[in-house]
Amino acid sequence: DAGVIQSPRHEVTEMGQEVTLRCKPISGHNSLFWYRQTMMRGLELLIYFNNNVPIDDSGMPEDRFSAKMPNASFSTLKIQPSEPRDSAVYFCASSPQVGPKGGYTFGSGTRLTVV
Amino acid sequence: AQKITQTQPGMFVQEKEAVTLDCTYDTSDQSYGLFWYKQPSSGEMIFLIYQGSYDEQNATEGRYSLNFQKARKSANLVISASQLGDSAMYFCAMRDSSYKLIFGSGTRLLVRP
Repeated sequence: DAGVIQSPRHEVTEMGQEVTLRCKPISGHNSLFWYRQTMMRGLELLIYFNNNVPIDDSGMPEDRFSAKMPNASFSTLKIQPSEPRDSAVYFCASSPQVGPKGGYTFGSGTRLTVV
Repeated sequence: AQKITQTQPGMFVQEKEAVTLDCTYDTSDQSYGLFWYKQPSSGEMIFLIYQGSYDEQNATEGRYSLNFQKARKSANLVISASQLGDSAMYFCAMRDSSYKLIFGSGTRLLVRP
């Protein structure tokens, strides 16, 4: 079990550029979550998917953010155009959903810096 | 709306002593789950312990125990015999009936030698 895999680990980009963050959930997990962590706002849930379908995207800050899950083994979070205030650590997590514990497993995160 | 509150931004504890980190929650769901995660300085999120809303006994995992008081809507984490490696951020989280997981603001714990 390789765990939740996020790429890249670090991303530095210039304001206005498009940024794509990637996540590979644990095989068999049917729920996937994207979080953003900043000092000011803590851990915010941006969007989550069940069985590849977006269930709740109310945490997505604005239209510049979009997320997709084209299949059970891959998800992307895209920011276009990026702004300095988007600088944060972005975590992806997955869960099997069934069972009481849910088993939420987090990836190592992507540290995004927008200059 | 679901909400998790951690009122202690920072805590100190002497090595080998026990420490309690506070967490209160608000939900209208009858079925929910409560979690604690540890985030060391390296940044990864490490699952520590889970308590289901219908669990009658408090959860324990090694040196971690969860003091669950349902009527008061609190789910405090107790770490016994603190170790230097316990120094980290600790987050309380709640899973609601839709399986959405939301987090509190965290408590930074520093273990003194």
